[in-house]
Amino acid sequence: DAKTTQPNSMESNEEEPVHLPCNHSTISGTDYIHWYRQLPSQGPEYVIHGLTSNVNNRMASLAIAEDRKSSTLILHRATLRDAAVYYCILRDESAWANSGYALNFGKGTSLLVTP
Amino acid sequence: DVKVTQSSRYLVKRTGEKVFLECVQDMDHENMFWYRQDPGLGLRLIYFSYDVKMKEKGDIPEGYSVSREKKERFSLILESASTNQTSMYLCASTRSLRVNTEAFFGQGTRLTVV
Repeated sequence: DAKTTQPNSMESNEEEPVHLPCNHSTISGTDYIHWYRQLPSQGPEYVIHGLTSNVNNRMASLAIAEDRKSSTLILHRATLRDAAVYYCILRDESAWANSGYALNFGKGTSLLVTP
Repeated sequence: DVKVTQSSRYLVKRTGEKVFLECVQDMDHENMFWYRQDPGLGLRLIYFSYDVKMKEKGDIPEGYSVSREKKERFSLILESASTNQTSMYLCASTRSLRVNTEAFFGQGTRLTVV
């Protein structure tokens, strides 16, 4: 899978929007952009994914740059429960099959939410 | 709510013991996975199963085996636990192997081998 780059950490105030960036300058046309998060001492949790268009769901929004070389996960109103490590990963059909169907999370962004 | 449930949150076992980690999903998913997660190493795939009784080795299968006798249950077995198997173990499932499919994870089992 192509590489992604995320800031190590970010901080936000409760009830404010949070924009978590992800750079993926070597993305291919068939790479899906996925976001997962992992709360402390929990398993990862799926957040959202997209290919080309912006996506919204009940948890978050995903804004994808027109050239697809970057994307932003938007939490519209951060709560204390959103404090977690957020992982941005790219998934391509053939690369995923070649990896033996392993999900490869990088280091992610550790989001701190303060009251 | 859909769920992947792991049988234990915390386990402490002795070196040389045979250890069973159980995972059950209630989503009728075909595919199930076992990962371990260690600081600085991220997620590493141990085994995955795409059907009952079918299994494929992941990146680090040594010292582990798996069993999938029923669709909803995927067990990870440490044949003879060693201290380097102290880790967080995560079970996951997916409906398909397409990349636009989300993975559902269990809450994790933190295993300590002493």
